[in-house]
Amino acid sequence: DVVMTQSPLSLPVTLGQPASISCRSSQSLVYSDGNTYLNWFQQRPGQSPRRLIYKVSNRDSGVPDRFSGSGSGTDFTLKISRVEAEDVGVYYCMQATHWPYIFGQGTKLEIK
Amino acid sequence: EVQLVESGGGLVQPGGSLRLSCAASEFTFSDYWMTWVRQAPGKGLEWVVNIKQDGSEKYYVDSVKGRFTISRDNAKNSLYLQMNSLRAEDTAVYYCARGRSGSCWGQGTLVTVSS
Repeated sequence: DVVMTQSPLSLPVTLGQPASISCRSSQSLVYSDGNTYLNWFQQRPGQSPRRLIYKVSNRDSGVPDRFSGSGSGTDFTLKISRVEAEDVGVYYCMQATHWPYIFGQGTKLEIK
Repeated sequence: EVQLVESGGGLVQPGGSLRLSCAASEFTFSDYWMTWVRQAPGKGLEWVVNIKQDGSEKYYVDSVKGRFTISRDNAKNSLYLQMNSLRAEDTAVYYCARGRSGSCWGQGTLVTVSS
């Protein structure tokens, strides 16, 4: 199975400051159709997960543009340009290229 | 607004069975792969199983193969998960999600396996 490794696992951030989460996969996430099925999810406290980014860099509808995704192959990043209070929660990367689909361990973002 | 509403969770003894349901609305259910994802208490997310639009393809994570069965009824806009031979490690909130990349999620239903 593909191993997804996120870092850091804990991310204290000052309001208004940027934040960055890294996600590395143990093998390339480029699928045979040329797409890279790497997604990012946010789970706020007490809520269901919500997809933020799909196929590396495509923002879902309603997701603020302060969230951006980048990367290729085995190395991916989620960036928040200016952290707001509502961004507190756990962020997961997830690969949907190889079965079984695998989530990273999660990165807990908190306000400093 | 897209809605996914899970039901059927509860307390069950080890070795027992439970059937989860997910009612979908405000989108064309038959156009989408559907998925069950679970989250053990205080833990991360685990993708459990996918089913194709017409039910012809299903993919299970190894830990549930032979015990869980996913199905769907496109006429009723509903997704199901039959869980047999339940174990303590199956204790989790089970989420229904749309598509193979989880574009929308339900609120989840808690399954507790304990004697």
